[in-house]
Amino acid sequence: AQKITQTQPGMFVQEKEAVTLDCTYDTSDPSYGLFWYKQPSSGEMIFLIYQGSYDQQNATEGRYSLNFQKARKSANLVISASQLGDSAMYFCAMRGTNTNAGKSTFGDGTTLTVKP
Amino acid sequence: DTEVTQTPKHLVMGMTNKKSLKCEQHMGHRAMYWYKQKAKKPPELMFVYSYEKLSINESVPSRFSPECPNSSLLNLHLHALQPEDSALYLCASAASWGSSYNEQFFGPGTRLTVL
Repeated sequence: AQKITQTQPGMFVQEKEAVTLDCTYDTSDPSYGLFWYKQPSSGEMIFLIYQGSYDQQNATEGRYSLNFQKARKSANLVISASQLGDSAMYFCAMRGTNTNAGKSTFGDGTTLTVKP
Repeated sequence: DTEVTQTPKHLVMGMTNKKSLKCEQHMGHRAMYWYKQKAKKPPELMFVYSYEKLSINESVPSRFSPECPNSSLLNLHLHALQPEDSALYLCASAASWGSSYNEQFFGPGTRLTVL
């Protein structure tokens, strides 16, 4: 089985500041992928960033970076220079191989509010 | 084209109605998914199709019936639903279902209300 834990139900950040959203995971698969998605109030899930379990470097995509610490089983999302449009729910997700092939496991999500 | 489309955007139906949700993608993806999402909860996987064959059914009640007529199209047929089935239904696609590195592209969802 695989599990994703997001311990921050809600977070606030001031506009233009950086924020870190926490994600820890557990899996028995030797190879897996970690993903972050953004879900605005409109409902659409927007893919943000991906980190593979064998990637040596942390992933970055524009203002998004993933702080991957494999030994600690954590994959935190860092958003730099927050914007008002970043206010949304953020989900950390994992896709495995072997016994967990084909399934994405999502965390409970973190609601981020950016203050002007 | 990196878009997954879903119709309708909103659907209100009675418990005796039969309706269908439609999902379409033209990215050449071979895996397509249906998820159910309640407010402020994570998406719950319902079905996975790989190469137009049903690969995963997460013990979904038979009142939900998926169909994959071709590689671009995914339907979800609804019959005799219950009020607790009211939710956002998300469709997603990915290049392949068994790989751990293919991200899923999601559609905008259908907000379903069962009266």
